[in-house]
Amino acid sequence: DQQVKQNSPSLSVQEGRISILNCDYTNSMFDYFLWYKKYPAEGPTFLISISSIKDKNEDGRFTVFLNKSAKHLSLHIVPSQPGDSAVYFCAAKPLGYNQGGKLIFGQGTELSVKP
Amino acid sequence: DSGVTQTPKHLITATGQRVTLRCSPRSGDLSVYWYQQSLDQGLQFLIQYYNGEERAKGNILERFSAQQFPDLHSELNLSSLELGDSALYFCASSPVAGASGNTIYFGEGSWLTVV
Repeated sequence: DQQVKQNSPSLSVQEGRISILNCDYTNSMFDYFLWYKKYPAEGPTFLISISSIKDKNEDGRFTVFLNKSAKHLSLHIVPSQPGDSAVYFCAAKPLGYNQGGKLIFGQGTELSVKP
Repeated sequence: DSGVTQTPKHLITATGQRVTLRCSPRSGDLSVYWYQQSLDQGLQFLIQYYNGEERAKGNILERFSAQQFPDLHSELNLSSLELGDSALYFCASSPVAGASGNTIYFGEGSWLTVV
């Protein structure tokens, strides 16, 4: 069974500091890992992704790290801003033609950035 | 605004009833996805259609069915509703069948409450 888990339901960080959101997966048959951000009353929006053959991908204040041996990925936000307060979902795209564009999501972590 | 339109936004219905959720994808997108988000759960993939054909299937209940019409809009039919079906149902779309994740756009969701 392919599973993606976010074990921390919430995280509170001071503005300007680093936010680190974590995600674990239990199956190696994924070709992409992604982070989505969700504000209340809106659908999830794509934030950043990383290929399974990479270790790191950076986009502005956002960096995703992939540790394949530990089956772990993390999202770093530096510096954190109050506008980053949202629910962050980790997702993984399974390999295989019959998987289409299917994504497997974690349960989400609610990030609160305090001014 | 992601360009994905879902109706209705909110729906309250009784157990045993049947409802239909509607989704219009972004202009030009051929794939439509349906996800279910229950309380305290991540988004669970239900099904994907590509250009009218079923492309990938998740753990969609037999009481649920979906289809994609020639104009590419999609409907998710939920029948014999149970209290546990209460959830937020997201539709998403992408241009191709095997989207890499960064080209999948989500609608704002349809809130279904079964009483």
